[in-house]
Amino acid sequence: DTEVTQTPKHLVMGMTNKKSLKCEQHMGHRAMYWYKQKAKKPPELMFVYSYEKLSINESVPSRFSPECPNSSLLNLHLHALQPEDSALYLCASSPLVGDTQYFGPGTRLTVL
Amino acid sequence: QKEVEQNSGPLSVPEGAIASLNCTYSDRGSQSFFWYRQYSGKSPELIMSIYSNGDKEDGRFTAQLNKASQYVSLLIRDSQPSDSATYLCAVNGGYKAAGNKLTFGGGTRVLVKP
Repeated sequence: DTEVTQTPKHLVMGMTNKKSLKCEQHMGHRAMYWYKQKAKKPPELMFVYSYEKLSINESVPSRFSPECPNSSLLNLHLHALQPEDSALYLCASSPLVGDTQYFGPGTRLTVL
Repeated sequence: QKEVEQNSGPLSVPEGAIASLNCTYSDRGSQSFFWYRQYSGKSPELIMSIYSNGDKEDGRFTAQLNKASQYVSLLIRDSQPSDSATYLCAVNGGYKAAGNKLTFGGGTRVLVKP
């Protein structure tokens, strides 16, 4: 089973709202990733967690705050977002950093 | 020069024909190579991974890697309308890829016409 799940599927939020995206995998993978994808562009890496510790932050604005509560869960906390943050947010996991990555279905985020 | 380059397409292919997709990369130390398929509005789905020079076949898909030429390709045989999607080439493990980050090409849009 190579399933990564993400909730919610769609999210609409105002610029003053606080919301969270959730990602879960039960494959025993120890690396988890957040990507942002705009229309007609490839995924853009935001964060990498390895063994529940943040290993890469791609200079993402502080209005995006990742959290890895345990080896199966990854959250992305959102606060004071801008309309240009509207995008498809993808979670991925891999056995270890550098291994084949498997993507979840994504959360389509719209910021009004 | 972009780190991973693909022709953006669209690559128009008649049903039943072979679709040939190309990808070049700049980091000579790259070790792992992946092809993902992405339907419009959906997430990337892994099709193939390849690590050694030569060909790797999986069903109707064949990946080809030539590290000397820094080139990886994907052939789709007997193309079907359901193969119409954007195909992303991704490269990992290069000298410049600090932390083993996956670097994506811009994607090639494939359109299979019945």
